[in-house]
Formats: sequence, C-alpha cells, structure tokens
Amino acid sequence: DAGVIQSPRHEVTEMGQEVTLRCKPISGHDYLFWYRQTMMRGLELLIYFNNNVPIDDSGMPEDRFSAKMPNASFSTLKIQPSEPRDSAVYFCASSFYGYGYTFGSGTRLTVV
Amino acid sequence: GDSVTQMEGPVTLSEEAFLTINCTYTATGYPSLFWYVQYPGEGLQLLLKATKADDKGSNKGFEATYRKETTSFHLEKGSVQVSDSAVYFCALSDPMDSNYQLIWGAGTKLIIKP
Repeated sequence: DAGVIQSPRHEVTEMGQEVTLRCKPISGHDYLFWYRQTMMRGLELLIYFNNNVPIDDSGMPEDRFSAKMPNASFSTLKIQPSEPRDSAVYFCASSFYGYGYTFGSGTRLTVV
Repeated sequence: GDSVTQMEGPVTLSEEAFLTINCTYTATGYPSLFWYVQYPGEGLQLLLKATKADDKGSNKGFEATYRKETTSFHLEKGSVQVSDSAVYFCALSDPMDSNYQLIWGAGTKLIIKP
C-alpha cells in the first residue's frame, strides 16, 4: 500500500488566493482526519470524516476553510481566501476504527 | 474531557544514553495509548501502541507499558542513537469520550548528540 498520499508537498501562494489541498487515504480506512501543525499552536485537528461524512468540524478556524470527501478515496481542504496566518503544515491521516492513524507526508503551505 | 500530558522538551542526551519521556493521561473510559514519532520534515509515524492495562508496546528498541494505576505510558529506550532525534507525541483514543479521535500530547523534542 502506498500509504496516505497528499498533494502538493509544498504550496506558496499570495494572500487572497484560493488554495486546495488534496488527500488520498488508505484503501479500506473509514476515518479521515485533517490536521494543521504550527510551531505556535502545535498539532490541531481541523475536521474529521467517518465513511465520507463530516463528523466534527469544530476545529475549522473560520468560514474561509472548507473540507469535502466526495468518495472513500479522496478528500480536499480548501482555503478561500488565504491569509498569511494560514501558513502551516497541513496533514491528512486515515484510520480503521481509530486504531492507529496513518499520516501523509503533509503539505507545507506558505501564504505571502 | 480526556487529556494527555507530556514532559516538556527539548530533551538533550548523548548517544547511547538511556531515554525516558514521561506521559500521563486522564480518560473517561478505557483508552488505547500510542506513541508517534515525527522526524524533521516528515509526517507523524506510529511508533508503538498498547490497548489495555499492563500491555507493553515495543518497536525499534523503544518500549512503553500501559500503567492504569498511575495513568501513565512512559516511553523508554536503553541506548539512543543520533537517528532517534525527532519529536515524540503521546496520544490516546477513548471511544467513550472522543469517538476514536486521537487526543494528543504537546510533543517532546529529542536531540541526541554524538
């Protein structure tokens, strides 16, 4: 198995632009999580899905952030419009019944 | 709600030293416990886990024992290497409280000097 695949690995964008991060979970996993990691705030859970349905999005910082999971093999996290304070590493992780997540390599987002 | 507390870092050791990183937790139910490791520039990787009291998780020379009486899951390694330098995260999963979300500690940065 190729593991959890995230794209792009690095993204540099200008303030105000739309950014879309992508994630392909491990086949057969029924949970998908989006995290954000910064030096100041550490690891933050943004949203998670179970069987493609969003369960808890209370960690999404504001309406500029949205996430979708149209099918079991794909999810997106969108930021529109982006701001410099959104600069962080964004991780996607998947799991089966929550017993040990598998993380992707992350997307390092820089908003200038 | 559930929580995980880790010792603050950074922890700096010389190669071949003994390592302990403390982790304690509070939980409503009977959680599973995990240690994850994050090497520079990479995502988090599952290092080891334990699902019930007195279980010992082990991997790559690291060990941790699920101690229900002290609500602890301390990470240990007998002889560290420079390649062990990374950030280590303790976490728990409590189906009764968090619905399979992982509750994370703040992470402990480990620096091993040759």
